[in-house]
Amino acid sequence: AQSVSQHNHHVILSEAASLELGCNYSYGGTVNLFWYVQYPGQHLQLLLKYFSGDPLVKGIKGFEAEFIKSKFSFNLRKPSVQWSDTAEYFCAFYTGRRALTFGSGTRLQVQP
Amino acid sequence: NAGVMQNPRHLVRRRGQEARLRCSPMKGHSHVYWYRQLPEEGLKFMVYLQKENIIDESGMPKERFSAEFPKEGPSILRIQQVVRGDSAAYFCASSRRENADNEQFFGPGTRLTVL
Repeated sequence: AQSVSQHNHHVILSEAASLELGCNYSYGGTVNLFWYVQYPGQHLQLLLKYFSGDPLVKGIKGFEAEFIKSKFSFNLRKPSVQWSDTAEYFCAFYTGRRALTFGSGTRLQVQP
Repeated sequence: NAGVMQNPRHLVRRRGQEARLRCSPMKGHSHVYWYRQLPEEGLKFMVYLQKENIIDESGMPKERFSAEFPKEGPSILRIQQVVRGDSAAYFCASSRRENADNEQFFGPGTRLTVL
């Protein structure tokens, strides 16, 4: 069965610390990968996406993610987090079967 | 350009009552998806609709849940005889076409609480 694992459920960092959130997917075929962010009280917004080509993808607000096919991973990174990055982050993939499959989310808390 | 609209944002129901959740897709979008997020879990796909058609309801519970997307008006997710386990956030997303190139845009969600 297809699934997404996000290893960190809750991450607490100080401002300016570096961030890496893990995401592994389970699916044998071609996937399109996404990271969504949900700021407190707001709806999900697309952070970045990978379809093909360069496995290092840059998104909004200084985020980037690297697709490593051999590891079935799509980890999210940011060199220096800000207080405003406090949010919940969801990894998801699309297999062409109409809907996105989401991970359980990682709650990031950035302390000033 | 208005985004995906959902109402109500919060809905409280007693066990046995009906819940109706509404979703208006973005202008120009004819594909609607409903997802449910249970506490401490990720979003789970429920149903995918196009105008007047249910395309895929493989994620929908077999009983008490139904969805529609009429020719005119919003998409409706209806839950009959709600139980405490239905308490969750229900998100609607819309896209212009059915494929990954067409990003799904999400609404703010409806938080259903069943007392």
